[in-house]
Amino acid sequence: EPEVTQTPSHQVTQMGQEVILRCVPISNHLYFYWYRQILGQKVEFLVSFYNNEISEKSEIFDDQFSVERPDGSNFTLKIRSTKLEDSAMYFCASYHDRSNTEAFFGQGTRLTVV
Amino acid sequence: DQQVKQNSPSLSVQEGRISILNCDYTNSMFDYFLWYKKYPAEGPTFLISISSIKDKNEDGRFTVFLNKSAKHLSLHIVPSQPGDSAVYFCAASGDTDKLIFGTGTRLQVFP
Repeated sequence: EPEVTQTPSHQVTQMGQEVILRCVPISNHLYFYWYRQILGQKVEFLVSFYNNEISEKSEIFDDQFSVERPDGSNFTLKIRSTKLEDSAMYFCASYHDRSNTEAFFGQGTRLTVV
Repeated sequence: DQQVKQNSPSLSVQEGRISILNCDYTNSMFDYFLWYKKYPAEGPTFLISISSIKDKNEDGRFTVFLNKSAKHLSLHIVPSQPGDSAVYFCAASGDTDKLIFGTGTRLQVFP
């Protein structure tokens, strides 16, 4: 069964450092998303991406965050200067289309900022 | 701004009995609702969904009920099995495709 894969599974970084979280969505999917879950809290939307551009972003997704799809298969989330409060599980998700089908989620990257 | 609420953080049910997980929402623009199941250290896994034009959707042991007037949906699992033990998230979407999640309910099914 096709799946969304994320690397790394766990990333530890020092505050102020840049991190790049990587995702390989399902191959025929067209809509891509990043969500995050701070420990003990709900899963929160960060950003959606379609046709090589951001289609929507939340207030969490400030100038420190960026996304790109550099090579047609990978979908990356970059945090330029990490803060302690960026520590969370980050989930990549993808849809084939917007006809209200379910989003497929990756297994997540646990980011720990120290 | 909790647009999707799951007021029960946990639920414990005996194997073979029915599990009922509840979810309330406030945004009347939501028109599609989903339930996801999540194990520790894994991503959410889609379980079942329902469009606002329906009031019930069934898939095997899982049934989702939607009461639009009450802005309430529920997930019924029957019979419950130990492998159903996980955190269950209710999610909703409306005029955009982003999902708004509830805080989750931890279901434990004991023998």
